[in-house]
Amino acid sequence: ETGVTQTPRHLVMGMTNKKSLKCEQHLGHNAMYWYKQSAKKPLELMFVYSLEERVENNSVPSRFSPECPNSSHLFLHLHTLQPEDSALYLCASSQDRPTKNEKLFFGSGTQLSVL
Amino acid sequence: TQLLEQSPQFLSIQEGENLTVYCNSSSVFSSLQWYRQEPGEGPVLLVTVVTGGEVKKLKRLTFQFGDARKDSSLHITAAQPGDTGLYLCAGAGDSNYQLIWGAGTKLIIKP
Repeated sequence: ETGVTQTPRHLVMGMTNKKSLKCEQHLGHNAMYWYKQSAKKPLELMFVYSLEERVENNSVPSRFSPECPNSSHLFLHLHTLQPEDSALYLCASSQDRPTKNEKLFFGSGTQLSVL
Repeated sequence: TQLLEQSPQFLSIQEGENLTVYCNSSSVFSSLQWYRQEPGEGPVLLVTVVTGGEVKKLKRLTFQFGDARKDSSLHITAAQPGDTGLYLCAGAGDSNYQLIWGAGTKLIIKP
């Protein structure tokens, strides 16, 4: 079992669909993250959970809704997305804050296409 | 707002050549991380540099943190096709959990 597992790997959805992305980490880490990766742009931090509590306040449209039911699982619920939301969505985990020199462990990502 | 400018954006060279990738900022970072991302995968950490002026080596890869902790470089000696990938730098700034990311350097090493 790899460290951070994301499903699905690929997702195509219409603008009126509702779907969810799933992330599971097997590393016993305390923090989990959702990042958005678009071509030629820096990684955008969307949401962070530490010990199942949401931390950091980033401006993310309400059509993205995170859920962290326990320290090993993280979901990203999607509804009424726009074509510009098409991107690679990466889940990551870390033992402690990356600003304390902790490294991030990433999943393989979900390549999302919104039609 | 803290920013990290990464250059070049794209680099395609022949096997055996040397190259350098740069990350520059006007902000000071407490540490800086370098990641490599291969197609279809997430980024994987290569190294973390913490002290101003620090140099770390990972086989043919040499990482340096600027004396003022505002910039960093990655030098690859005798590049191999296996070095192909997207190289990302990320600085630890003011926030607890938010790293400041460069936009990446897409590196292609041709055999």
